[in-house]
Amino acid sequence: DAKTTQPPSMDCAEGRAANLPCNHSTISGNEYVYWYRQIHSQGPQYIIHGLKNNETNEMASLIITEDRKSSTLILPHATLRDTAVYYCIVRANSGGSNYKLTFGKGTLLTVNP
Amino acid sequence: GAGVSQSPSNKVTEKGKDVELRCDPISGHTALYWYRQRLGQGLEFLIYFQGNSAPDKSGLPSDRFSAERTGESVSTLTIQRTQQEDSAVYLCASSLESSGGETQYFGPGTRLLVL
Repeated sequence: DAKTTQPPSMDCAEGRAANLPCNHSTISGNEYVYWYRQIHSQGPQYIIHGLKNNETNEMASLIITEDRKSSTLILPHATLRDTAVYYCIVRANSGGSNYKLTFGKGTLLTVNP
Repeated sequence: GAGVSQSPSNKVTEKGKDVELRCDPISGHTALYWYRQRLGQGLEFLIYFQGNSAPDKSGLPSDRFSAERTGESVSTLTIQRTQQEDSAVYLCASSLESSGGETQYFGPGTRLLVL
């Protein structure tokens, strides 16, 4: 799986949009971009994933650049409960041991009142 | 709907004792995974079950670790003769199936402390 690079930490004001960047310049054509988050003392929570088109669900939006070398996770109206470590990973959609998830260090997002 | 559940949520045990951790996957999910997460560390893959196929046990750290799964439902992870380095959060995840890289959904984890 391709490697990702994320800033170690970010701050966001409550009610504002949180934009979390991720670089994945070595991503392959069959690799998806996945985002998970882990709130303190809880299990990882799936947020969203995409291949090349922008995606939106009830939690967040995912913007993927046209060359697919980077992406941004957008939480449109951050709340205090969104404070967590956010992990961006890329994984193939089939073959090999793609089911073995590995998280990097992620971005610690702190939402401030 | 119900997510992945794990029990117990916390377990404190003495070195040398055996422990059994339980995972109930999301109904209908044929793939089930166990991971370990040490304090401040990333995920460590342990074992993967997919339907009736032979499980991938390549991540189990020693022969003290074993896991079973009953059909496509409950799984138990057993650690025999626990050691202090086994202290960690043990996470279970499930997905519809894994051949297509399906999204894995995690349970809350079991926090194991070996004294």
